[in-house]
Amino acid sequence: EIALTQTPLSSPVTLGQPASISCRSSQSLAHSDGNTYLSWLQQRPGQPPRLLIYKISNRFSGVPDRFSGSGAGTDFTLKISRVEPEDVGLYYCMQLTQFPPTFGQGTKLEIK
Amino acid sequence: QVQLVQSGAEVKKPGASVRVSCKALGHTSTNFYLHWIRQAPGQGLEWMGIITPSGGSTSYAQRFEGRLTLTTDTAASTVYMDLTRLTSEDTAVYYCATVPYGVLIAAMDVWGQGTSVTVSS
Repeated sequence: EIALTQTPLSSPVTLGQPASISCRSSQSLAHSDGNTYLSWLQQRPGQPPRLLIYKISNRFSGVPDRFSGSGAGTDFTLKISRVEPEDVGLYYCMQLTQFPPTFGQGTKLEIK
Repeated sequence: QVQLVQSGAEVKKPGASVRVSCKALGHTSTNFYLHWIRQAPGQGLEWMGIITPSGGSTSYAQRFEGRLTLTTDTAASTVYMDLTRLTSEDTAVYYCATVPYGVLIAAMDVWGQGTSVTVSS
């Protein structure tokens, strides 16, 4: 089972400032088909998770362009260029490259 | 607009079983996988299992083997999650989520609203 480790676990950020979350995998997430099935989810308080980014860097429908994803192999990053109030919540990386699917522990984004 | 609608909150006693349903609205086909994920209070996301609604193929996380059963009613566009021999550690919000077939997205793109299951004597 692939383990995903997120850092930091908590990130106090000033509104309008950037934020960054790292996700490190215990083994490469590159699939034999050439794709890397690493995605990022956002969970606002009291809400179900919502897909933000799929296959490392593709923004899902309706996701603001202040969210971006990058990385390769075992190291991945979610960046928010300018944090807005509605960005408060938990962020999870997850992988579908290898069965079973696994999630990072989650990173709590909060406003300073 | 594709939507997943789950059944309502449940309160169960230890040792009992629970069934949670997940109805897919707006899907014109069953070209997706349906995953179940749970979240204990204050905890992260835990993957439980997967079903292919079109054919009923299933696979479960090892820790739920023997207690978890996923079934599908294709005519009703509904998937059911049955969890038996409940303990207090099963208290959680249970989510269903779709992953479309193919490699275009290959991520959990639509989520149900969640179903709270509380196990208490």
